Amino acid sequence: NAGVTQTPKFRILKIGQSMTLQCTQDMNHNYMYWYRQDPGMGLKLIYYSVGAGITDKGEVPNGYNVSRSTTEDFPLRLELAAPSQTSVYFCASSYGDSKGAYTEAFFGQGTRLTVV
Amino acid sequence: DAKTTQPNSMESNEEEPVHLPCNHSTISGTDYIHWYRQLPSQGPEYVIHGLTSNVNNRMASLAIAEDRKSSTLILHRATLRDAAVYYCILRDRYTGNQFYFGTGTSLTVIP
Repeated sequence: NAGVTQTPKFRILKIGQSMTLQCTQDMNHNYMYWYRQDPGMGLKLIYYSVGAGITDKGEVPNGYNVSRSTTEDFPLRLELAAPSQTSVYFCASSYGDSKGAYTEAFFGQGTRLTVV
Repeated sequence: DAKTTQPNSMESNEEEPVHLPCNHSTISGTDYIHWYRQLPSQGPEYVIHGLTSNVNNRMASLAIAEDRKSSTLILHRATLRDAAVYYCILRDRYTGNQFYFGTGTSLTVIP
């Protein structure tokens, strides 16, 4: 009963380094999302995907890239880490169809990233 | 995207009911009203959602105004475990592939 799994849980990066945050879901959901949450703030949508091969920008996409080659996986790539990207990152998934039916979103436990 | 407005914080005594308000005056006819909560150091979790009628589940009740411009999440008996940030979110029925969190209401439960 894994749900949404994110790795790693914690990471410290140096300015200019790159890394990939991994997200996997085992619920066969077509929708997947990446959010970031800065201290004391709400979640901001970075990117989302409505299915394998389809991704789109959210509110704060700059500095990030995503890909969706399978239904299960939705990795988030940081190419040139900056201190402003210090945050907690959450991945989520849900199911939806064109008739307006969808499930609630399930979230992972988050990845706490510090850029120094 | 339609926005929601919530109080920044609320307090409740343990074992008492809690009414968490949300205003969404620009709601469209196809927007569902969703509530999520985020416990400390955890990812958000789904609480309840509705379209027009009041809804009940094992966690809470959702009361939706007749004009749908506001709603209230009701926790019938607050416990210490209910201390969390509660988010009211509008999600379009047909294009709900993206949904946005506001700043939410931080609920403190007093023993």
